[in-house]
Amino acid sequence: NAGVTQTPKFQVLKTGQSMTLQCAQDMNHEYMSWYRQDPGMGLRLIHYSVGAGITDQGEVPNGYNVSRSTTEDFPLRLLSAAPSQTSVYFCASSYSGTGGLNTEAFFGQGTRLTVV
Amino acid sequence: GQSLEQPSEVTAVEGAIVQINCTYQTSGFYGLSWYQQHDGGAPTFLSYNALDGLEETGRFSSFLSRSDSYGYLLLQELQMKDSASYFCAVRGGGATNKLIFGTGTLLAVQP
Repeated sequence: NAGVTQTPKFQVLKTGQSMTLQCAQDMNHEYMSWYRQDPGMGLRLIHYSVGAGITDQGEVPNGYNVSRSTTEDFPLRLLSAAPSQTSVYFCASSYSGTGGLNTEAFFGQGTRLTVV
Repeated sequence: GQSLEQPSEVTAVEGAIVQINCTYQTSGFYGLSWYQQHDGGAPTFLSYNALDGLEETGRFSSFLSRSDSYGYLLLQELQMKDSASYFCAVRGGGATNKLIFGTGTLLAVQP
């Protein structure tokens, strides 16, 4: 079991460039999400998905796109990178957690993105 | 919407007990979780409370009061390796079911 695999680990982009952060999980989790983490701001939800073909916006969605064509994969796209998107990005997956069931989220190792 | 508040920093000494509080506001609620994150690492799950009361897992305990929209994480017999950031998180109920995190509490354990 690989868990949640996130690539790349480090990336430097120039302003205006585009890129895709990859996230894959092998636990058959319905719920997948992307967070960004900035100093003093905690983990802020960018986009999330409750299943293949279903995505929704989180707290800070502007400048990011997602899609969920399979249960396993949930890529995050930056269409035109800006310095404000310099951050550490985490992908996470879990069961949906309806009905009060335990909903432990498993995280990837993070992508440290710098936009210059 | 959903929001969670927790103290930004807490300092304690080895062997002591520390409590990290979390208050939340949410339009729906399934449960309150706690995560630990060491510097440079990924968050890892510590505990989950869906019902009122105390859950104990080794040196760590977590408490929830749904009527007060309040919970806390209790760390006993503190060790240097417990120095980390601790986040409370809420899974909202209803169709969205999104997982929202607090801003985190940085715990510094001193010798």
